[in-house]
Amino acid sequence: DAKTTQPPSMDCAEGRAANLPCNHSTISGNEYVYWYRQIHSQGPQYIIHGLKNNETNEMASLIITEDRKSSTLILPHATLRDTAVYYCIVQDTNTDKLIFGTGTRLQVFP
Amino acid sequence: NAGVTQTPKFRILKIGQSMTLQCAQDMNHNYMYWYRQDPGMGLKLIYYSVGAGITDKGEVPNGYNVSRSTTEDFPLRLELAAPSQTSVYFCASSYIHPGAATNEKLFFGSGTQLSVL
Repeated sequence: DAKTTQPPSMDCAEGRAANLPCNHSTISGNEYVYWYRQIHSQGPQYIIHGLKNNETNEMASLIITEDRKSSTLILPHATLRDTAVYYCIVQDTNTDKLIFGTGTRLQVFP
Repeated sequence: NAGVTQTPKFRILKIGQSMTLQCAQDMNHNYMYWYRQDPGMGLKLIYYSVGAGITDKGEVPNGYNVSRSTTEDFPLRLELAAPSQTSVYFCASSYIHPGAATNEKLFFGSGTQLSVL
């Protein structure tokens, strides 16, 4: 089973920041948090991942709480093309499996 | 750069038929995965492989078989197709450095849409 909990859907106005939350209260110390997104019916696309520290790349920022029980993916200036399902995943370090949950459907509106 | 290539893109099967979904990657990745995605749902891991000759079950392996004879190829076999196997199938690959603490990012193929009628 997925180790994460996400809201099923969110809306965001174009140009505003989209903040997508994720709970992973059972995460262990050496497990990473990954974010992927899936646009329409395409294959998922990697966004970002992190362990303890906040991370930023050209696509997004990842904020992980100090106790690591939750995280937030931030799209700083959402565009219509960011409309997608966003998956927060905690890697099973015993097997290296990435187990996807049902994700958050983000709708960016004009 | 081909990346992860899946064939076919679409297929309709009759109940009880068999088929093989092909997946090939040209990035010299050691890890490969098969996921299925039912309508409106997330991805479920079927099987994965950490290298040639090594495979292991995921969350939903029943009704499927895999093999990994080469680094590049990871075919998924359906022996007796059932309507419950109607889904979109995604293959993915990644490279994990030996001794690394974490997976690198997964690269996904464009999927195979399978209908069993």
